[in-house]
Amino acid sequence: DAGITQSPRHKVTETGTPVTLRCHQTENHRYMYWYRQDPGHGLRLIHYSYGVKDTDKGEVSDGYSVSRSKTEDFLLTLESATSSQTSVYFCAISERAGGIGELFFGEGSRLTVL
Amino acid sequence: AQSVAQPEDQVNVAEGNPLTVKCTYSVSGNPYLFWYVQYPNRGLQFLLKYITGDNLVKGSYGFEAEFNKSQTSFHLKKPSALVSDSALYFCALPKGGATNKLIFGTGTLLAVQP
Repeated sequence: DAGITQSPRHKVTETGTPVTLRCHQTENHRYMYWYRQDPGHGLRLIHYSYGVKDTDKGEVSDGYSVSRSKTEDFLLTLESATSSQTSVYFCAISERAGGIGELFFGEGSRLTVL
Repeated sequence: AQSVAQPEDQVNVAEGNPLTVKCTYSVSGNPYLFWYVQYPNRGLQFLLKYITGDNLVKGSYGFEAEFNKSQTSFHLKKPSALVSDSALYFCALPKGGATNKLIFGTGTLLAVQP
């Protein structure tokens, strides 16, 4: 299995609180991604990174921010969590651009916003 | 706009029978297409991809997929289903060609009965 660790794996929080999810990789892959998985929607891309300090928005980026200060870490922040952000969040990495290289996924972080 | 669709939420098949999980796509130009599998409480795993070349692509765990340009389909197949194949299957393609933005279908739950 690819060396991807997501933390925390489970979190329950209240509306309006900030939340940060961490993705840590030991593969030295250039590309990192955050997806959310919801029933009926499959996986939707939130943000992705193509290098240290290089990030871009995905399909559903509103209410989320990201940072990548080191190759191995990609942080997803919900500045003020809302119930609509209750979801399972997956981090993924790839050595090459996603259109050619396969993605390797973490185990997911289940977030519940009350 | 590029998109991928999985018309079946669930597919039921008896163990030992052949299985097909359907995927259709909409892209301009030649598509890159992927299949991923998700076992319960796990992240997604890469199964196979079509970039160019043979229309029949072989992947992991005995799965294969048939690319059909005239029908804009990329159906996942296996000659003989196993109970352990029961999982959620996602078709995917990169938005905007060979980019970092891999978009996924809504997923098809495969249930293999013993």
